[in-house]
Amino acid sequence: AQSVSQHNHHVILSEAASLELGCNYSYGGTVNLFWYVQYPGQHLQLLLKYFSGDPLVKGIKGFEAEFIKSKFSFNLRKPSVQWSDTAEYFCARTSNDYKLSFGAGTTVTVRA
Amino acid sequence: DVKVTQSSRYLVKRTGEKVFLECVQDMDHENMFWYRQDPGLGLRLIYFSYDVKMKEKGDIPEGYSVSREKKERFSLILESASTNQTSMYLCASYGDRGLAGGPPYNEQFFGPGTRLTVL
Repeated sequence: AQSVSQHNHHVILSEAASLELGCNYSYGGTVNLFWYVQYPGQHLQLLLKYFSGDPLVKGIKGFEAEFIKSKFSFNLRKPSVQWSDTAEYFCARTSNDYKLSFGAGTTVTVRA
Repeated sequence: DVKVTQSSRYLVKRTGEKVFLECVQDMDHENMFWYRQDPGLGLRLIYFSYDVKMKEKGDIPEGYSVSREKKERFSLILESASTNQTSMYLCASYGDRGLAGGPPYNEQFFGPGTRLTVL
């Protein structure tokens, strides 16, 4: 089965700090990569996605991710977090179909 | 905007009960999915459907069944609920085409989730 690994279970940081969440995926043909976010009490929503082209992908709310094929990685970054970025973040992939495989998730807590 | 709704936000059932979770999407999407979300495990696919009356097992189908009688509605059924099925259940939909038949969004749209507790 295709797998996605997220390096950190829980990240705690202060406002204005930089954020980087690691994501690695297993090799398996065509790779489409996603980062989803789930704010407290809200539904899962898409932050950004990569299908092809420029490996540096920009998403909503100032997030970006870089696809590094040689490292099988798709790390999420934000240069300066806000308290409102407190959420759970999920990396996911599809391959030759539209079925998503998710990582275990990373809880991000931003302290004011 | 795509809207995916689920029949309940919170549900409490007893062991052995038959449980129905309903999901409705309003974007005429062909594909619908049921996931369960557990801490430390992320989201795991239970079942999905790519057309009316069609269903495919996901990664963890045991103890569940599904029904898709209409394109907009996808139901998850727990035939005999057990305590290890206490979880958050998320429904999602995915369209092969975008608005007005244009390119697909290439993303799944999620409902708000149903938190099921089985006592």
